[in-house]
Amino acid sequence: QQPVQSPQAVILREGEDAVINCSSSKALYSVHWYRQKHGEAPVFLMILLKGGEQKGHEKISASFNEKKQQSSLYLTASQLSYSGTYFCGSGSGNTGKLIFGQGTTLQVKP
Amino acid sequence: DTAVSQTPKYLVTQMGNDKSIKCEQNLGHDTMYWYKQDSKKFLKIMFSYNNKELIINETVPNRFSPKSPDKAHLNLHINSLELGDSAVYFCASSQDRRGSLTTDTQYFGPGTRLTVL
Repeated sequence: QQPVQSPQAVILREGEDAVINCSSSKALYSVHWYRQKHGEAPVFLMILLKGGEQKGHEKISASFNEKKQQSSLYLTASQLSYSGTYFCGSGSGNTGKLIFGQGTTLQVKP
Repeated sequence: DTAVSQTPKYLVTQMGNDKSIKCEQNLGHDTMYWYKQDSKKFLKIMFSYNNKELIINETVPNRFSPKSPDKAHLNLHINSLELGDSAVYFCASSQDRRGSLTTDTQYFGPGTRLTVL
């Protein structure tokens, strides 16, 4: 089943923070975050493999709450380059299958 | 060097035609995928091959047939194209090996925008 992302869309000013949530009705074995800019391919941001894990990449970080079957992506002091659609993916072992959420569109304005 | 490449980038064709999209990866990965992204940006897995073996075969019309001549290539052939096939098709690859307990990072190709008229 597809993970559900919230919010569906968010508009920010440069320098503001945002949180994108991803929740699943089924157990999450791993959570993958991707960003897709308009007309381009999805690009990998980070993967969280264990409950309680937190990761960071410059001013973008994520957490994974295995018990709640949720993950959150945190964007701090957003930049114009952060604009795009963010997808979380629920991973299952064995096959490499990723089921993506419906996406969250982030627009950062000057 | 491009890691995952697809050809063509754009494909415009008439209903009923047959077309193919090619994908190649030079990352040395074992697994390749085809995804379909519709106009609402929903990204859905279609097929996956691991070392030339079909691993994932989602509910996709049998007009779609993937073929993997070797582990670096995965092609998608579509017969009798329909209007609803219009979408962006992405190829991806990952290091995933059979029986692995985790899902590895997937690297996406640039996409092929298919328009069926």
